[in-house]
Amino acid sequence: RKEVEQDPGPFNVPEGATVAFNCTYSNSASQSFFWYRQDCRKEPKLLMSVYSSGNEDGRFTAQLNRASQYISLLIRDSKLSDSATYLCAVNMVDSSYKLIFGSGTRLLVRP
Amino acid sequence: ETGVTQTPRHLVMGMTNKKSLKCEQHLGHNAMYWYKQSAKKPLELMFVYNFKEQTENNSVPSRFSPECPNSSHLFLHLHTLQPEDSALYLCASSQVSPSGLNFGSGTRLTVV
Repeated sequence: RKEVEQDPGPFNVPEGATVAFNCTYSNSASQSFFWYRQDCRKEPKLLMSVYSSGNEDGRFTAQLNRASQYISLLIRDSKLSDSATYLCAVNMVDSSYKLIFGSGTRLLVRP
Repeated sequence: ETGVTQTPRHLVMGMTNKKSLKCEQHLGHNAMYWYKQSAKKPLELMFVYNFKEQTENNSVPSRFSPECPNSSHLFLHLHTLQPEDSALYLCASSQVSPSGLNFGSGTRLTVV
C-alpha cells in the first residue's frame, strides 16, 4: 500500500460546482497534513494546513478523519482559476521534516 | 516570489557531464530539502538538511551528491546521470516543525 494515495482524476466540473477530493494515508501515527496546489509546469504551493478540528479558508474546507485515515479538500463555487493539480502531503512520524506527497488529483473547471 | 530561488531553471546535460543545481532561501528557515518530480509520479523526497546537517537520504543513488554549506544554501551535484534522471528537481525550505514547505521554481533537467 502506498504511504499517501490520491485519485488522479481528472475531475471535470462546471464553474460554480462543489468538488471534493480525498487523500488516504497509511501511517496512523502521522501528525501533520497539508494540501498543496500545483499549476502546470510550476512548483507546488501550500494551499492550507489540515487541522484536527477541520478548517476553512474562503471557498476551501479541509478536514481530517483519523479513524479512516484520510484528509479531504472541499472546493465550493469552483472558478476557472481553480483548475490545477491538488497534492496532499503527510509528515512521516519518524521525522518531523519528512513530508510525503500523494501523486495529485487534477481538477479541470470548465465554463 | 516564493523566497526560495533555484538556478538554473533549465539544464540539459550529457551522461558524462558534471553539473550542480543551486538553491537559496531568504526566509530564515532552518530545514532544506531536495525533491524529484518525474512525469506521472508523486514528488519523491531525496534529501533533508536540518541546521546544515543531513537528516535524511532517501536511498538516492550516489550520482546525486548534496551539499549544504549553511542554512540558506543547498546544492545538488550531479555526475554520470542516466536519461531516467530527467525530471523537475525542486528545492524547498521550512521551519523546524513543518508548517508547510516553501518550494523554489525548480530546475527542469534533461539528461541526453
